[in-house]
Parts: sequence; C-alpha cells; structure tokens
Amino acid sequence: EADIYQTPRYLVIGTGKKITLECSQTMGHDKMYWYQQDPGMELHLIHYSYGVNSTEKGDLSSESTVSRIRTEHFPLTLESARPSHTSQYLCASSEWTGGSYEQYFGPGTRLTVT
Amino acid sequence: AQSVTQLGSHVSVSEGALVLLRCNYSSSVPPYLFWYVQYPNQGLQLLLKYTSAATLVKGINGFEAEFKKSETSFHLTKPSAHMSDAAEYFCAVNLYNQGGKLIFGQGTELSVKP
Repeated sequence: EADIYQTPRYLVIGTGKKITLECSQTMGHDKMYWYQQDPGMELHLIHYSYGVNSTEKGDLSSESTVSRIRTEHFPLTLESARPSHTSQYLCASSEWTGGSYEQYFGPGTRLTVT
Repeated sequence: AQSVTQLGSHVSVSEGALVLLRCNYSSSVPPYLFWYVQYPNQGLQLLLKYTSAATLVKGINGFEAEFKKSETSFHLTKPSAHMSDAAEYFCAVNLYNQGGKLIFGQGTELSVKP
C-alpha cells in the first residue's frame, strides 16, 4: 500500500543533541515537503524538494537542514536542538492529479526539546 | 502574494446541526483551493479541492465547499454534523506556478456537542 511514513512519532531530547527526523514515501513522488506546526497554529513550510539532489528553504526560516539523496527519502536534521525547536513536524509528498497538485501527509513527529 | 484567512479559530455545533467553516483567500491569479482535516496526533487528510472544474465541490465524509470568486471565499459546509467530525480543519491555497507548495490558513477547531 502506498503511503508516507515518519519516524519517530514522538521524541523528547535534551538541548544540544543532534537529531534526524525520518520521512519516507512509497508513492514515487518527486515533490516532498516539510512543515512545522505549533499547537493550535497553521502549518508553515520550512523545506521542500522537487526531486533528487534538489532542496530549497521554505517560507518560514528554520535552523534545520534536509537532504534528498533518494526519491523516497527526505530526512530533516537539527545539528543542535534547542527548546525553541519544540514543535510538530509534518512531512508531505505531492503528485499532479485531477487538475492540481495534491499533497499527502505523514502522521507527524512531535518533538520536545528540554 | 497569496494568503488564506479562516474566520473563527473555534466553532462549536450540536450533533445534527449545519457545519459552516469559513475561508477567504487572497490571490492575484486563479488559485487552487483545498480543505484538509486533522485529527489529534495525526497528519492532514484531504477533504476536497477546487481546481476550476466546478464551483461546487463535493468531498469525503459528506463535506462540500463552494468557490465564490466575487467573494474570494471557499467556505466548507456539511448539512448534519456527526460527533466524528470533531477535528481541526485547514483551508489552503496553491498557485499553478508554485509547484505544489501550499499556504495554509490558521485552522478552525470544530467541536460537536451531543
């Protein structure tokens, strides 16, 4: 079954640690995205990729970095976590269907930095 | 620049009552418009989308939305609310030349009272 996966679902980590949030999709989509969502707030695009070796920063400035070495994999890394990074991170991929791009979302990773 | 405004961060209705969630957009070119639903601790699920094919769009779970260019609106409705409709709802806009990137509204939390 085609799907988009994120691991871990929940992560509590101390300040200064390096973390990588994993995102994988089995749908073969070229376009992938990372959003940051604070509780009760809208989603903000922080990174996107239009294909292998293509990554761009989104509308919201973020200290995180991403890579796209394989089509199906789009991990997000924080070199040194801080409490201000506490948030939910949602990964998505999209395809052109029915006259527009449609985005499919993973379940999210809820990150808490203590 | 395009933007999305959702009027009302929280809407409460009784079971069986009409659901109306408001969304207004700002765009200099015809947009693609989407409604997503997010249940607690989950990712976003597409409810419906507008791509200029028809102004009244029907989606999943009995929801529908009408695109009104004169009012720059794309309000989401459901004739009769169910308890299972309680969730966060997001309106989003995408332009044809933005490669699938979405801009989200602030979200509306729907509560359904028995």
